[in-house]
Amino acid sequence: SQQGEEDPQALSIQEGENATMNCSYKTSINNLQWYRQNSGRGLVHLILIRSNEREKHSGRLRVTLDTSKKSSSLLITASRAADTASYFCATPGGATNKLIFGTGTLLAVQP
Amino acid sequence: DVKVTQSSRYLVKRTGEKVFLECVQDMDHENMFWYRQDPGLGLRLIYFSYDVKMKEKGDIPEGYSVSREKKERFSLILESASTNQTSMYLCASSWLRSWYRATGELFFGEGSRLTVL
Repeated sequence: SQQGEEDPQALSIQEGENATMNCSYKTSINNLQWYRQNSGRGLVHLILIRSNEREKHSGRLRVTLDTSKKSSSLLITASRAADTASYFCATPGGATNKLIFGTGTLLAVQP
Repeated sequence: DVKVTQSSRYLVKRTGEKVFLECVQDMDHENMFWYRQDPGLGLRLIYFSYDVKMKEKGDIPEGYSVSREKKERFSLILESASTNQTSMYLCASSWLRSWYRATGELFFGEGSRLTVL
């Protein structure tokens, strides 16, 4: 019951560049969230955007939400080597209407 | 500081063994979750609990059971471990907020990597 799917699956950039990741989902949602996971660790919540919001900022993160296209993007500006991680979007969905996670975008920031 | 603690980071068990994975949160959260994470499949919800002694099946409950005797503790039980249960198991918790119900921000533990031989 895949709900959110991230694109691209992997992204490699140089330090200082911007990184953009996209998420598409299938059903109506009341919120969409982005999480980060360092290798072998748990997930950390980054940002939540409600369905009535179009854009949200948190530090170097900018998230947009287009409910008409059922898509979201996460932009990390001025990336750092420490941003190297997997990034997941999560939306309510599935048979249980709980948070469903995509398979993630693996971001590698080269120093 | 918010904390979700999983009892074991790494476990190695044999096929047929009973396995307990423990999770404790110190945030007085109502909701607690168990997910498993496998390459190419993302995170999949195994079980969910919104109150003491209450539980709901997630998307892949087969082969698992759970126990929530106290608000802060949520245990995942593999009655008879099998090799296809080799995975990373992630516990998470969240507040029960009327607007988001059980789909608000999740706080995750560090994960328990289980290998079943």
